[in-house]
Amino acid sequence: GQQVMQIPQYQHVQEGEDFTTYCNSSTTLSNIQWYKQRPGGHPVFLIQLVKSGEVKKQKRLTFQFGEAKKNSSLHITATQTTDVGTYFCAGRGNTGFQKLVFGTGTRLLVSP
Amino acid sequence: NAGVTQTPKFRVLKTGQSMTLLCAQDMNHEYMYWYRQDPGMGLRLIHYSVGEGTTAKGEVPDGYNVSRLKKQNFLLGLESAAPSQTSVYFCATDRDFSYEQYFGPGTRLTVT
Repeated sequence: GQQVMQIPQYQHVQEGEDFTTYCNSSTTLSNIQWYKQRPGGHPVFLIQLVKSGEVKKQKRLTFQFGEAKKNSSLHITATQTTDVGTYFCAGRGNTGFQKLVFGTGTRLLVSP
Repeated sequence: NAGVTQTPKFRVLKTGQSMTLLCAQDMNHEYMYWYRQDPGMGLRLIHYSVGEGTTAKGEVPDGYNVSRLKKQNFLLGLESAAPSQTSVYFCATDRDFSYEQYFGPGTRLTVT
């Protein structure tokens, strides 16, 4: 079945440093979504990418969808303590009704 | 407008006991999902429903049953709890498989 892996599993940065998490799927995706989960909270939707090579920005966050639609990345510029949490990618296959498959997540810790 | 709610928030069970987790949504969404979240493993789909009266198995369905008698409610049952079912359980909904998922606050279950 479809598998989605994320790296790194954990990253600890100083406030102001950049952060990137990478997501790789074993199969071609129809779209990819990103979620953020604060400690003790629930996943909250950030964005969805649909097109090959698509790039979207949300303030300091930049999301990319690979040309082959099998990988994606989230880059945070100049991290802040409010960025702390676990970031999940989640992808859907590209045939028929496909369930969302979540990546393993990257836990981000930001020190002031 | 409560969105997605889950009851209970916390529960401790002894091995062999049974319980039902309730997910309720007021978003009029057709699709509902039950996930479990374990450290380092991301979110894994247990069961899902594409509409009232329908249910289907996800990635890790063993030991769980579900029912969707009303569109707004999705119940997850554990007939005979095992320590391996200690986890955080999240319910989620979406309008259909092209859209983002909305998560409930989660239920933290411990089986001793």
